[in-house]
Amino acid sequence: ETGVTQSPTHLIKTRGQQVTLRCSSQSGHNTVSWYQQALGQGPQFIFQYYREEENGRGNFPPRFSGLQFPNYSSELNVNALELDDSALYLCASSDRVEQYFGPGTRLTVT
Amino acid sequence: GDSVTQMEGPVTLSEEAFLTINCTYTATGYPSLFWYVQYPGEGLQLLLKATKADDKGSNKGFEATYRKETTSFHLEKGSVQVSDSAVYFCALRPNKAAGNKLTFGGGTRVLVKP
Repeated sequence: ETGVTQSPTHLIKTRGQQVTLRCSSQSGHNTVSWYQQALGQGPQFIFQYYREEENGRGNFPPRFSGLQFPNYSSELNVNALELDDSALYLCASSDRVEQYFGPGTRLTVT
Repeated sequence: GDSVTQMEGPVTLSEEAFLTINCTYTATGYPSLFWYVQYPGEGLQLLLKATKADDKGSNKGFEATYRKETTSFHLEKGSVQVSDSAVYFCALRPNKAAGNKLTFGGGTRVLVKP
């Protein structure tokens, strides 16, 4: 296990709703990244936070937003959910060398 | 932009067979290259990595060599086990200035039969 935890494990939401996903980083890691993995595809980079500031963003609209807290835990917020947002959302915390992924949150939008 | 292409699966093998999963990349500069493995219902685990040309990453019997001339990072294992059944992802990180953003390939599902 990597020491990175995510909650909840599974979530079902309705189109148009808002969702918050949470991630606890591995101890001592000050950088967290979020990825979206659609079924049967590779993960896509959403954004990264370093010391509570967004520090890089992928090709995702502004309704995807995040926060990083002083203890380096993190949230991913998605507003106005769309059916295509259904995916596994992965959080990864990193030291200077590599990224450690959590088990993911499976989001289903109906 | 940066991209990673890997062979489509599924790849079905018998136990003790030789496994190769092809991976090629497009990137500017000198990226670092990775192989991740995802077991059913789990997140990604780093399998091996290489940070510069001609480096060989290895772990758990898997190997991959960073070939800059062919922009490739093919994964190999000489004798697979049923427990190697998983989805394998090739990925690159452009350079240190790009932070930790990883670009992944589409994944290759491997099924090893006893």
